[in-house]
Amino acid sequence: EPEVTQTPSHQVTQMGQEVILRCVPISNHLYFYWYRQILGQKVEFLVSFYNNEISEKSEIFDDQFSVERPDGSNFTLKIRSTKLEDSAMYFCASSTESNQPQHFGDGTRLSIL
Amino acid sequence: DQQVKQNSPSLSVQEGRISILNCDYTNSMFDYFLWYKKYPAEGPTFLISISSIKDKNEDGRFTVFLNKSAKHLSLHIVPSQPGDSAVYFCAASEAGNNRKLIWGLGTSLAVNP
Repeated sequence: EPEVTQTPSHQVTQMGQEVILRCVPISNHLYFYWYRQILGQKVEFLVSFYNNEISEKSEIFDDQFSVERPDGSNFTLKIRSTKLEDSAMYFCASSTESNQPQHFGDGTRLSIL
Repeated sequence: DQQVKQNSPSLSVQEGRISILNCDYTNSMFDYFLWYKKYPAEGPTFLISISSIKDKNEDGRFTVFLNKSAKHLSLHIVPSQPGDSAVYFCAASEAGNNRKLIWGLGTSLAVNP
């Protein structure tokens, strides 16, 4: 069964450094999402992406965050200058249509030191 | 942000019995509801969904019930199996091109042999 894959599974980065989280969505999916879950808290929406542009972003997704779909298969989340509070599990998801279930990768655990 | 609430952090059930997981929501604009299952170190796995035009959806051992007037949904698992032990998340979205998911905090289900 096709699946969403995320790399790396764990990323440790010094505060202030840039980090890129990578995702390969399911190949025929058109809608792409990033969510995060801080330990002990709810899963939170970060950003949605469709037709090569951001369709919605949350308050969390400030100027330090960006997304890109550089080559038609990868979908990346970049954090330009990481902060301690960016430490979380980051999940990528994709769906065929906006009203269809989103399918998730196994996440990247981001630890900021 | 308490738009989706799962008030039971944990539930313990005997193998073969019914598991009932509950979810309440406050946003009357939600029209699509999903249940996800999550094992440790994995991403959320889609289980079952329901549109607000229905009050019940069934898939094998899993049934979701929606009570729109009470803004309440529940997931029934019958019969429960030890492999069902996981964290179950309720999520909801509003109509639109984006359909970002709003999540509950999850309920940890333990099915005892």
